[in-house]
Formats: sequence, structure tokens, C-alpha cells
Amino acid sequence: EAQVTQNPRYLITVTGKKLTVTCSQNMNHEYMSWYRQDPGLGLRQIYYSMNVEVTDKGDVPEGYKVSRKEKRNFPLILESPSPNQTSLYFCASKQNGVSSNQPQHFGDGTRLSIL
Amino acid sequence: DQQVKQNSPSLSVQEGRISILNCDYTNSMFDYFLWYKKYPAEGPTFLISISSIKDKNEDGRFTVFLNKSAKHLSLHIVPSQPGDSAVYFCAASAGDSNYQLIWGAGTKLIIKP
Repeated sequence: EAQVTQNPRYLITVTGKKLTVTCSQNMNHEYMSWYRQDPGLGLRQIYYSMNVEVTDKGDVPEGYKVSRKEKRNFPLILESPSPNQTSLYFCASKQNGVSSNQPQHFGDGTRLSIL
Repeated sequence: DQQVKQNSPSLSVQEGRISILNCDYTNSMFDYFLWYKKYPAEGPTFLISISSIKDKNEDGRFTVFLNKSAKHLSLHIVPSQPGDSAVYFCAASAGDSNYQLIWGAGTKLIIKP
């Protein structure tokens, strides 16, 4: 089954304790992206990656890091989490290339609470 | 300032009737628009899209209309079914890809039996 898998689905942690949210896709997609969803704001892009070893900042990159060492994985790293990073996070992937308007496929989300 | 606005946080519609969800945008560079549907505890799933070279796109019960002069698009669902109850997001991008999407805040659609 084609899917985007995020782990963990839920996490409660404390300020300053480094954490990583993993994202993996099995569709051989070149493009992957991270979003956060906050009430009343819709989804906002954090970082995206057009391909392996290529990453770019989205609209709200501050406080986050990403890496793209292999095609299927795109982890989101919070080096020193703070309470304002409490949010619902989504990873997405899509096919690049000729049909560049292929829609993004989303994981089921990770709810992070930073105390 | 939000570039994509969905001004109705929620909408309640009788089963079998038409549901109309609205979306306004401010950036005239946007030329590709998508609607996503989201159920609780799941990620958004793609529903339908439209390019700015068209003013209408239809897929089964779902039709999206685009009015470029008014910078407005709408999603029509006919007839509405209980499984349509979800949050609907409008998203927009500039250029012929959707690598960087700008999203509206979403509208929660409730279909009453």
C-alpha cells in the first residue's frame, strides 16, 4: 500500500530535549515536505526537499532542522524544542517530473506537546 | 496576512443537498489551486484541483469553480453524503508545480442526516 508513515504519532516532552520525528514514504517520490498545522492558520510549510541531499526552507523554518540522506526518509529534528513548537505536524511527498502537478500525499500526522 | 482565506470555519448541510465551500486569495501570482479533505486523526487527502487556465473542473460529485477576476474559488459537492463530513482545505501555488502550497485555515463541513 502506498503510504507516508510518520513516527511517533503522539509525543509529550519538555523544553530543550532534542527530538526527531521520522517520515518515510514507499512511493519512490523525489519531493518531500514538512508542515505544521495550528488552529486558525491552516498548514504552514517548515522545510521541503526536492531530492536527496537537497533541502530548502519553507515559511516557518526557525527552530527546525531536516536531512535527506536517502530518498524514502525525511526526518524533522527539533534540537531544542520550545512550547511554541507545540503543534500538529504533517509530512508529505509527491512525484516530481513531467506531471509536476501531481498532488502531495500526506502522513497521518504527529501531535507534539512541548511543556 | 493570510494569502488564502476560508472565511467560514464551519458549514452545516442537509444530506442530499448541495454543499458550497468558498475560498478567497489575494496573490495574483497563484495559478494552481487544490482542495484537500481531512478526517480526524488522518492526514489531508487530495480531492480536486484546478489550473488558472480553466474556470471549472469536475470529478463525480465534486466541482471546483474559479473566478480569477474576483480571486475566488468554490467547491460544490452534489449531492452531499454523510461521508463528506470532514474539514476541507483550500490551497494555492504559483507556477506549474505545487511544491510550495499556501493553505487556507479550513472549513469544517457537517452533513446532517
